[in-house]
Parts: sequence; structure tokens; C-alpha cells
Amino acid sequence: DAGVTQSPTHLIKTRGQQVTLRCSPKSGHDTVSWYQQALGQGPQFIFQYYEEEERQRGNFPDRFSGHQFPNYSSELNVNALLLGDSALYLCASSLDGGQSGELFFGEGSRLTVL
Amino acid sequence: GENVEQHPSTLSVQEGDSAVIKCTYSDSASNYFPWYKQELGKRPQLIIDIRSNVGEKKDQRIAVTLNKTAKHFSLHITETQPEDSAVYFCAARYNAGNMLTFGGGTRLMVKP
Repeated sequence: DAGVTQSPTHLIKTRGQQVTLRCSPKSGHDTVSWYQQALGQGPQFIFQYYEEEERQRGNFPDRFSGHQFPNYSSELNVNALLLGDSALYLCASSLDGGQSGELFFGEGSRLTVL
Repeated sequence: GENVEQHPSTLSVQEGDSAVIKCTYSDSASNYFPWYKQELGKRPQLIIDIRSNVGEKKDQRIAVTLNKTAKHFSLHITETQPEDSAVYFCAARYNAGNMLTFGGGTRLMVKP
């Protein structure tokens, strides 16, 4: 049973560029949440997708957008990258729109913006 | 929105000693409080959680206590082992949408 998988694992971009990160949820899960974890800090909620719609959003600008596909996989897009966007981006999956409680995290995509 | 504070930021103990990490939350409507362990370069992994209708929960060497009145919860690790060394995060969820608000983390170091 595959857990949450994310790609790419590491990437380097320059300021102003755009990036797309991908996530496949744990088998049987239908809800995907994205978190940003800056170095030495706790994860911060970006948004959550359920039934292919953005269900909740944290305090992140519109440069951060996402998508969920019919197979429940998800993408996170960040436009006009800033140095401060350098972080570990974590995808977490859960069941039933988040009613089950437990989140399962992927290993993350580490983004470095130069 | 919810705010979670976690203390201490670093904790060093001798192998075999106990470790206690404390968190406070701001929104009295929060109803779910998980604890995650994150080893260097790895994903956060759930180690224990507690819901607002329970005051204490144990799982072998790990226990969590919740005081709803004071809005704080704590992680207790007994008989610590070197493999317990990691960063521990507390979190709180204040609505049914499963959005978690995390504390700043505690780096636990267990000395052999």
C-alpha cells in the first residue's frame, strides 16, 4: 500500500519563475492538503482540496494555487517565486473531506529559490 | 484563527529520563490535537493524538494529556531512548475541515 508520494523531491528555481509540485495521496484517500515548512519552523497550512475543489485556504497569497484531479492526485503551483518561498512543501492526505482526523504526510518537495 | 505555542524549543535529556513538551492553543473550539515526530530530512509522522472529549491517552512510552479549561496539552515520553531524538510538533484543529495549526517544534536530544 503506497503512502503519500510527492515529486520532485528537490528543485532549484530563480526569482520570478514558476513551479509545479505534484502529490499522489495514500490509497483510498480523497482529500489532499498542502503545507509549507520553512527551515526550523512548523508546517503552515496553504490549502486543502476535496472533490476537486479548494475547500479551505490558509494565509497565503494568490500566487499559490492548486488543483485536484479526478483520481484525487493534486498539484501545487507557485507563480512569481520569491526568495521567501524557499521551503519544504508537504502534501498530506486524509479521508472523507478531512472528517477522519489523521493526516498522512509525504516526504515533501524541497524548493530552493535563488 | 487558531494559534499554537510550543515549549521548550530544545530539550536535552539523558537516556532513560522522561521528557515533557507543552503546547497551548487559543481557540476553545479546537477539538483534535495530534503530535508529530519529524526526523531530519523526513516527513512528519503521527505518534499520538487526542480528541477534546478525552483527558489523557497512552501508547506504551508515550502519553498525551489535555486540559480544555486551560487550553493546553502536553506530550510525555518516558524511558527515553536515543532513537527518540527528533523534532516534535504539536498541532490543533479547530474545525471539521482538518486544517491543522502547528506549534513551532521542539528539538529533543536524548544523550546515551
